[in-house]
Amino acid sequence: DTAVSQTPKYLVTQMGNDKSIKCEQNLGHDTMYWYKQDSKKFLKIMFSYNNKELIINETVPNRFSPKSPDKAHLNLHINSLELGDSAVYFCASSPVTGDYGNTIYFGEGSWLTVV
Amino acid sequence: GQNIDQPTEMTATEGAIVQINCTYQTSGFNGLFWYQQHAGEAPTFLSYNVLDGLEEKGRFSSFLSRSKGYSYLLLKELQMKDSASYLCADRKEDSGYALNFGKGTSLLVTP
Repeated sequence: DTAVSQTPKYLVTQMGNDKSIKCEQNLGHDTMYWYKQDSKKFLKIMFSYNNKELIINETVPNRFSPKSPDKAHLNLHINSLELGDSAVYFCASSPVTGDYGNTIYFGEGSWLTVV
Repeated sequence: GQNIDQPTEMTATEGAIVQINCTYQTSGFNGLFWYQQHAGEAPTFLSYNVLDGLEEKGRFSSFLSRSKGYSYLLLKELQMKDSASYLCADRKEDSGYALNFGKGTSLLVTP
């Protein structure tokens, strides 16, 4: 009964391919996120959705397109993959109201390697 | 992280106390968070401060000074399993609920 689950966990693909990472949360949270953690372990926000609406879209190449079919799901599609896209992608979610300042809960991460 | 500073690495001995410092930009401040991340795993929530002072949770405590843009995470009675990266993150008023993370402090606990 994983709270924030994302698939696949590991993905190795060639440059130029298109791939998707799926994310689902069963916590009833209204807000979902995609974060990217690079090889230097720097965790950076990419997108934030609140109840299916895009809230934050950081400076991310438009090859990255998030899609939220409902508030429990936030998928990430990446077109024309490049070597620099290799990273760990974390899906996360948080409540609108709650204890501890609307804490963000992370999924287990998807390790993407572009070769 | 954007304007969040914390030491890159620290080493401490099992059973000891260690303090990890973090400074952030005070403008638009709306909360300070600490997360723990073991190698190959997801970050997990440790603590949250929005008012000045110390928040204690078992062996871990976190302190905040809003006027100074300063926080620290205090780990007592260190155990080997505390070896991990500790991420300081702030939330800004205009960021929705997203957190802005620092680059993390890699803590090594030695016997």
